[in-house]
Amino acid sequence: NAGVTQTPKFQVLKTGQSMTLQCAQDMNHNSMYWYRQDPGMGLRLIYYSASEGTTDKGEVPNGYNVSRLNKREFSLRLESAAPSQTSVYFCASSKYSGPYEQYFGPGTRLTVT
Amino acid sequence: QQPVQSPQAVILREGEDAVINCSSSKALYSVHWYRQKHGEAPVFLMILLKGGEQKGHDKISASFNEKKQQSSLYLTASQLSYSGTYFCGTGTNQAGTALIFGKGTTLSVSS
Repeated sequence: NAGVTQTPKFQVLKTGQSMTLQCAQDMNHNSMYWYRQDPGMGLRLIYYSASEGTTDKGEVPNGYNVSRLNKREFSLRLESAAPSQTSVYFCASSKYSGPYEQYFGPGTRLTVT
Repeated sequence: QQPVQSPQAVILREGEDAVINCSSSKALYSVHWYRQKHGEAPVFLMILLKGGEQKGHDKISASFNEKKQQSSLYLTASQLSYSGTYFCGTGTNQAGTALIFGKGTTLSVSS
């Protein structure tokens, strides 16, 4: 039982490049989330998927797109990376959206130069 | 808007107590508490719900004042393992689909 897994762990991009961050969970959870964490800013929600087939914007969605590929997988895409997107990205999942414990993946450290 | 956490940082010796506060300008349905150690992912501590229900670890104590939109996390007889950054996340409706997290409170416990 791996919980929430994320790939890659580290990535360096040049400005304008694109990439996709992958996230998968094996807990049969319905809801999945993408957060970014910057020093002193806490965790900020980028996008979430309350259930398979639905996605919604969070606090900071600009510059990102998401795909809920199936119940297990939720990917985050940066179409044209910018230095402002340098951050640590966390994926999380929960049984349902709402007042349920969220389980976080180990994070992806992204640097955009 | 992000909930406001206070204090921003706390330094303790083992065995001392601390209180971390979380305050929102919006009416809340739920408050969630997580702890993150350096270089690791956040880990769930507890959820407090409007109406008084709590879900979480038995050794963690917290309160939720619905009228004031405030929650407090009580760390008593602190241990070295309590060190880390504590985040509160607030949900404003029952679906709670979009938790908004505060900026965090860093707790350092020394021997």
